[in-house]
Amino acid sequence: DIQMTQSPSSLSTSVGDRVTVTCRASQSISSYLNWYQQKPGKAPKLLISAASSLQSGVPSRFSGSGSGTDFTLTISSLQPEDFATYYCQQSYSTPRTFGQGTKLEIK
Amino acid sequence: QVQLQESGPGLVKPSGTLSLTCAVSGGSISSSNWWSWVRQPPGKGLEWIGEIYHSGSTNYNPSLKSRVTISVDKSKNQFSLNLTSVTAADTAVYYCARVSYTSSGWDHWGQGTLVTVSS
Repeated sequence: DIQMTQSPSSLSTSVGDRVTVTCRASQSISSYLNWYQQKPGKAPKLLISAASSLQSGVPSRFSGSGSGTDFTLTISSLQPEDFATYYCQQSYSTPRTFGQGTKLEIK
Repeated sequence: QVQLQESGPGLVKPSGTLSLTCAVSGGSISSSNWWSWVRQPPGKGLEWIGEIYHSGSTNYNPSLKSRVTISVDKSKNQFSLNLTSVTAADTAVYYCARVSYTSSGWDHWGQGTLVTVSS
């Protein structure tokens, strides 16, 4: 199985901050990396697919980069509605695996 | 707009079988997409259970493979999950999701259904 490791696990941040979340795969997954946002009691929402492709309707303050084993999700200027948990997920091979999540909290 | 809706019992007894159905609306289950089940224990992260194509081809998580069956009913535009020999560790919110054939991201999700394993 491909292990996905996210860091940090949680982050205390403020509105307007620039935030970077890192995801590392235990082996190369090319660009088969997706990012999801999950709010309490809700299903995950796909933000970015194929490492850097922003989904329709997702604000441009979200961006993704990386390939191979190292990936980043960046939020350029954090908004109140962005406080949530973020997961990376590899779709390179089965079993599909997720990172453990990064929870953004209000400072 | 594609919508997915999970349904099934919210309470299952230990050693019993968990059975859920995901109804797809606004699109065909016979489109060029895979359809997936994911679960999330309370307060924990996401775990992939498995996926199915409309042809009936499946992939399962090896950690659950001996207990899982995913099937598709094209006539009803839905797919289903059966998980046998359940224990308290199977208590979770269960989601169905569509895997986009263009991006391989999971672009449409059901709202999720909590299944509790308890006597």
